[in-house]
Amino acid sequence: DVVLTQSPLSLPVTLGQPASVSCRSSQSLVHSDGSTYLHWFQQRPGQSPRRLIYKVSNRDSGVPDRFSGSGSGTDFTLKISRVEAEDIGVYYCMQHSHWPHTFGQGTKLEIK
Amino acid sequence: EVQLVESGGGLVQPGGSLRLSCAASGFTFSSYWMHWVRQTPGKGLEWVANIKPDGTQKTYVDSVKGRFTISRDNAENSLYLQMNSLRAEDTAVYYCLAWGSSANWGQGTLVTVS
Repeated sequence: DVVLTQSPLSLPVTLGQPASVSCRSSQSLVHSDGSTYLHWFQQRPGQSPRRLIYKVSNRDSGVPDRFSGSGSGTDFTLKISRVEAEDIGVYYCMQHSHWPHTFGQGTKLEIK
Repeated sequence: EVQLVESGGGLVQPGGSLRLSCAASGFTFSSYWMHWVRQTPGKGLEWVANIKPDGTQKTYVDSVKGRFTISRDNAENSLYLQMNSLRAEDTAVYYCLAWGSSANWGQGTLVTVS
């Protein structure tokens, strides 16, 4: 199975400051069709996950533009340009380039 | 408004069975790949199974193969997960997930095997 390793696992951030989460894959996430199926989810406390970014860098509808995704191959990054209070929660990367689909272990963002 | 409402969770003894349901509304259910994903405090999020829009292709994580069966009824806009031979390690919140141009999650249903 593809292992997704996120870092850091805990991310204390000051409001208004940037934040970055890394997701590294145990193998390339380039699918045979040429696409890279690496996505990012946010899970706020007490809520279901919500997709933020699909296929590395595409923001879902309604997602603030302070969220951005980048990367290729095995290394991917989620960036928040200026953290707001509503951003607290756990962030997960997920891949479906290979079976079975797998998630990273999650990065907990908290406000300092 | 897109809605996914899971039901059917509960407490079951090891070796028992449960059938989870997910009622969908607000989108063209028959066009979406549907998934079951579970979440435990210790293991985070784990993808369990998925099914093609027309129901002809189903895939499972190894740990549930032969015990769980995913199915759907496009006429009823419903997704199901039949879970047999349940084990303690199947204890989790189970979410249904509709994957397409958007990705929509239900609120989850808790399954406790004890």
